[in-house]
Amino acid sequence: EIVLTQSPATLSLSPGEKATLSCRASQSVRGYLLWYQHKPGQAPRLLIYDTSTRATGIPARFSGSGSGTDFTLTISNLEPEDFAVYFCQQRSAWPLTFGGGTNVEI
Amino acid sequence: QVQLQESGPGLVKPAETLSLTCTVSGGSISNYYWSWIRQPPGKGLEWIGYVYNNGNTNYNPSLKSRVTISEDTSKNQFSLKLSSVTAADTAVYYCARSGGTWHFNYWGQGTLVTVSS
Repeated sequence: EIVLTQSPATLSLSPGEKATLSCRASQSVRGYLLWYQHKPGQAPRLLIYDTSTRATGIPARFSGSGSGTDFTLTISNLEPEDFAVYFCQQRSAWPLTFGGGTNVEI
Repeated sequence: QVQLQESGPGLVKPAETLSLTCTVSGGSISNYYWSWIRQPPGKGLEWIGYVYNNGNTNYNPSLKSRVTISEDTSKNQFSLKLSSVTAADTAVYYCARSGGTWHFNYWGQGTLVTVSS
C-alpha cells in the first residue's frame, strides 16, 4: 500500500503567518492527493482534491501543489479558525490511505 | 445538507464483534460510496472499506477477513461489523460518503470504540 508521511507533526504559528505542510508518498500517486482539515469533535472537511483544486466553499488562502510523491498544502495568512489538524489522502491506488496528520497550533 | 451520524456501543470486549451504524440524513443513500474509516489513538486514519449500491463492497486487505459492511436503504443507514476484536481495534470510527472519485466530502463526527474486558 502507499504510505503517506506528513511533516512536520506539529507546526506552531501565529495568526497572519503562512503555514507550509508537506505530504510525501512512498510511490507516485499521479496527482491524486487530497487534503482535509479536522477540528476536535467535528467532522473532517475536504479542502483540496487532486493536488490543487479547492473544494466547494474553501477560501483562496488554502492552496495545494506538488506532483509525483511530494505535495504541499499552503495556508497563507492564517486565520484563527485555521488552527486544526490537517491530513492528506491518496486515491491513486487501493487501499486508500491517509497521512498521519500535521497539527497547526497557535 | 447531508449529515452522517455514527452510533453503537462504546465498549466492546476482546474477541467479540464490533457493530456500528451510520445514519444518513439530508440525502439518499443510493448511488454513493459509503465508507468506514478509523483512527486509533495517536495514529493516522485507516480506511476500512465501503459499500455501494446495496451490496457491492471493497475492503482494506489488512482487515478484509474480519470486516462486513452493509447498507439498509429502507432506513438510509449503513453498518460496520468487525469480528474478533483486540485492543488494536480501539479507535475513533468515522463514516463517510464519497463518489466514484474517492473524495470524502461528508463525514460523521466519529465515535470512540474501546476494546477492553
